[in-house]
Amino acid sequence: ETVMTQSPATLSVSPGERVTLSCRASQSVSSNFAWYQQKPGQAPRLLIFGASTRATGIPARFSGSGSGTEFTLTISSLQSEDFAVYYCQQYNYWPPVFGGGTKVEIK
Amino acid sequence: EVQLVETGGGLIQPGGSLRLSCAASDFTVSSNYLSWVRQAPGKGLEWVSVIYRGGDTHYADSVKGRFTVSRDNSKNTVYLQMHSLRAEDTAVYYCARHSYSGSYFFDYWGQGTLVTVSS
Repeated sequence: ETVMTQSPATLSVSPGERVTLSCRASQSVSSNFAWYQQKPGQAPRLLIFGASTRATGIPARFSGSGSGTEFTLTISSLQSEDFAVYYCQQYNYWPPVFGGGTKVEIK
Repeated sequence: EVQLVETGGGLIQPGGSLRLSCAASDFTVSSNYLSWVRQAPGKGLEWVSVIYRGGDTHYADSVKGRFTVSRDNSKNTVYLQMHSLRAEDTAVYYCARHSYSGSYFFDYWGQGTLVTVSS
């Protein structure tokens, strides 16, 4: 099973800052990779698929990059509504696997 | 508007059974792939099972032989029948629609239903 490792586990940032989250796959997953955002008490929301394609309705401040084993989610200017947990997911191999999450909290 | 609404969660003793339902709106479950994904309290996301358009099903090793996914096309609803429940099955269970058939990322999620396995 492909292991997805996210770093850091927690990120403390101030509103307006640029944020970079990382995810590493234990083997190449090509660009079959997604990012989700989850707020407390809510379901995950799809942000990015295909490693870099924003899902419908996702603001342009969210961008994804990478391929193979290294992936990055960048939030260009953090807004108050962006404080949440972010999960990566590979869907190149069976079964689909999520990372452990990165919590973005207010500094 | 696409919606998924899960019901059926609750407190169940170890070894017991429970059936979760996921009612879909604004799309047809029989024309899509639907998965169940769970999240233990304070933990990450774990894919559990899928039902394909054609009715084929697949399961995570952790639930294989204990859980069964099915659907009722007339009710536009997908079910997760869970048997021999264990403490480690305690989680919020989400149903999620695959973005397109053949893909394995999820564009719509339900609000989840909590299953607590405890004596």
